[in-house]
Order: sequence, then structure tokens, then C-alpha cells
Amino acid sequence: DAGVIQSPRHEVTEMGQEVTLRCKPISGHNSLFWYRQTMMRGLELLIYFNNNVPIDDSGMPEDRFSAKMPNASFSTLKIQPSEPRDSAVYFCASSLWGHANTGELFFGEGSRLTVL
Amino acid sequence: KQEVTQIPAALSVPEGENLVLNCSFTDSAIYNLQWFRQDPGKGLTSLLLIQSSQREQTSGRLNASLDKSSGRSTLYIAASQPGDSATYLCAVRDQGAQKLVFGQGTRLTINP
Repeated sequence: DAGVIQSPRHEVTEMGQEVTLRCKPISGHNSLFWYRQTMMRGLELLIYFNNNVPIDDSGMPEDRFSAKMPNASFSTLKIQPSEPRDSAVYFCASSLWGHANTGELFFGEGSRLTVL
Repeated sequence: KQEVTQIPAALSVPEGENLVLNCSFTDSAIYNLQWFRQDPGKGLTSLLLIQSSQREQTSGRLNASLDKSSGRSTLYIAASQPGDSATYLCAVRDQGAQKLVFGQGTRLTINP
């Protein structure tokens, strides 16, 4: 399997612009997670989905952030408008969750976002 | 609320040494615990997962142990190599919960 695939790997944008990050989970996985990592705050869970349905979005910092999962093989994280404090590495991760499954989490390589 | 702590934050050892990384958690009612490795500029790579009913898991030179009652896990690395240099994170999944609670990680440097 190709693993979790994220795009773009790097994004540099100006404050106020819309940013869309994309994720393709591992085929067959039914759970998808979006994380943000910074030096100051470490790894933060933003939102996760089960079977394409958002389960917990309590980590989404504010209304400027939104996430969708229109089908089992694709998810987006959108920031509109972006601000310099949104600069971070955004990770997508997926797992197989349910009866007798461990929920072992597999991460993508991340999208490094810089907002000027 | 579950809290996960990894001490020390950084560790530097000479090549060839056996070493132990520590992870502690505050609530022993866990479902499983996962150890990850992160190289600079890369994503997290899953190393080992231990179910709450297990005491240890092994993969190559890595051995992870779990003592639920004391709220501790250790990652043992045998015969360390410079390629083992990375940040190691542990994460706990509580009973009845799906999301992981991460520690802050231990940055490991193996000196040739």
C-alpha cells in the first residue's frame, strides 16, 4: 500500500488567502485524523472522521478552519482566511477502527504551511 | 483527563549502547499504547503497538513494555546506531476512546 498521501508537501501563501490541504487515507481504513504540529504546542488533534462522518472537531481552532470527507478515499482541510499563526505542519493519519481492530494509526508525510 | 509524559526531552548516547526511553501516563484505563518515530521534516512512523492485555512487543532491536498498573511504558533499543537518531513519541488510547493522547517526545541522538 502507498500509505497515507498528503498534498501539497509545502505551501507558502500570504495572509488572507485560502489554503486547502488534501489527504488520501490508506485503502480500507475507516477513520481519518487531521493533526497540526508546531514547536510550541507539539502535536494537536484538529478533527477526526469515522466512515466519512466527523466525530470530534473540538480541536479545530476557530471558524476559519473546516474539514470535509466526501468519500472514503479523500479528505480536505481548508483554512480561510489564513493567518501567520496558522503556520505549522499539518498531518493526516488513518486507521482501521472497530471490533477487534487495534486502531493503529498511520501518518502521512505532512503538509508544511507557511503564511506570510 | 489522560496526560502522557516523556522524560527526558532529549538524550544523547554513543553508538552501540543499549538504551531505554520512558513514557508515563496518568490514567491506567487504557486500550492500547503506540510508539512512534519521527525524523526531521517527516511524518510519524508507527514502531510498536501494545494492547492493554499485553506486557511487551518486539520488533527487531526494539522492545516495548507496558505496566498498566504503574502507568508506564518503556521502549528499549538494543545496540543503538546513528540511524536510530530521531524523536520518539508515545501515545495512549483510552478505553472507549478512539483518539490518541501524545507525549511531547524524546529527541534521541546516537553519536558515532
